[in-house]
Formats: sequence, C-alpha cells, structure tokens
Amino acid sequence: DAKTTQPTSMDCAEGRAANLPCNHSTISGNEYVYWYRQIHSQGPQYIIHGLKNNETNEMASLIITEDRKSSTLILPHATLRDTAVYYCIVRVSNSGYALNFGKGTSLLVTP
Amino acid sequence: EPEVTQTPSHQVTQMGQEVILRCVPISNHLYFYWYRQILGQKVEFLVSFYNNEISEKSEIFDDQFSVERPDGSNFTLKIRSTKLEDSAMYFCARSGGEEKETQYFGPGTRLLVL
Repeated sequence: DAKTTQPTSMDCAEGRAANLPCNHSTISGNEYVYWYRQIHSQGPQYIIHGLKNNETNEMASLIITEDRKSSTLILPHATLRDTAVYYCIVRVSNSGYALNFGKGTSLLVTP
Repeated sequence: EPEVTQTPSHQVTQMGQEVILRCVPISNHLYFYWYRQILGQKVEFLVSFYNNEISEKSEIFDDQFSVERPDGSNFTLKIRSTKLEDSAMYFCARSGGEEKETQYFGPGTRLLVL
C-alpha cells in the first residue's frame, strides 16, 4: 500500500469547516483513499473513501486532486464531538486486506 | 451499517493465562479482522479471516495467537499464554455487507495482563 503523510495535529473552531490534508504521492491506479477516525480509545470509525472522484456523505466530503497524489477530508461544520485522530489510508479495494494505520492527524475542535 | 459487538469490554488476566476475545458480526459479512492498539501507539493489523481460513496475517500474529469461528457466528481471538506486552485494546472488524470492501470496527476489548 502507498504511504501517506498527514500533519500531526490541527485545530479548528467549532462550527467552522475542518480541512484535513493527506499526501499520497505514490498511490497506484487501483488504490483507494480511505478515511477513518478514532475518538479517544474507541474503535476506528469509517468516514468515507474514494478512488478519483470527489465524494460526499452525511459525515464529510473527500476531495481528491486530479493527479491523485493528495486529498483533503472536509468536515463542513465541525463540532466538539469531531475531536479525534483522523487517519488517511491508501489501499486496494479488496476484502481481506489489512488497513495500515499511521499516526494520523489529531484534530482538536475548540469552542 | 450496524456495528460489531465485542465481548468482554474489559478483561484482566494473569501473565501466562489464556484469554479468548469474542466478536459477534452480522451473519452475512464474510471477512473478519483483528487489530490491536497498545496504549499510545498505532492501530496494528493482526489477522484477517475468510471462509473459516486465515486470509492474511501480520508478523505480530505468532503461534500464541489463533482465530476461529467455531459456531458460525462468534469470531474469536485466542491468546494462549498471555504476556505483559499483550496488554492492549483489541478491535474486531468485519467487511462484506452492502459496502463489500469497507471495514467496520467494533468498540474493542481492553485487555490488561498483570
């Protein structure tokens, strides 16, 4: 799986958009970009994934650059409960394959 | 997507004892996974399981670990002779529902080895 690079930490004011970047310059054509988050010591929570088109669901939006070498997860209106560690993971979209979690970005949403 | 249930939520054991951690996935999910997270460290993949066989395993998953789905529902991780360094959160995950390849995680079991 391609390696990803994320900032160690970020802050965001409550109610504002949180934009979390991820670099994956060695991504292969058949690799998807997945985003998970982990609130304290809870189980990782799936957020969104995409291949090359931008994606949106009820939790977030995923913007993938045209060259696919980077992406941004957008939480449109961050709340205090969005404080968590966010993981950007690149992998092929096949069942049975491991998710390789890095250190992620620790997002702190402040009042 | 409905969540995975894990039991117990917490377990304390003595070094050298065997522990069994359980995961109750939805029956139509085909792939199951175990991950662990030592306090303050990354989430690490242990093993994936499909059709009653190990599909992939990491170097962490050595002979002291085993997995099975004995009754067709519960998916278990057995640690034969626990060591202090096995203290961690253990997460079960599953995939194969409507979004076939996406892994959904349970709340975890906190294992403390004394």
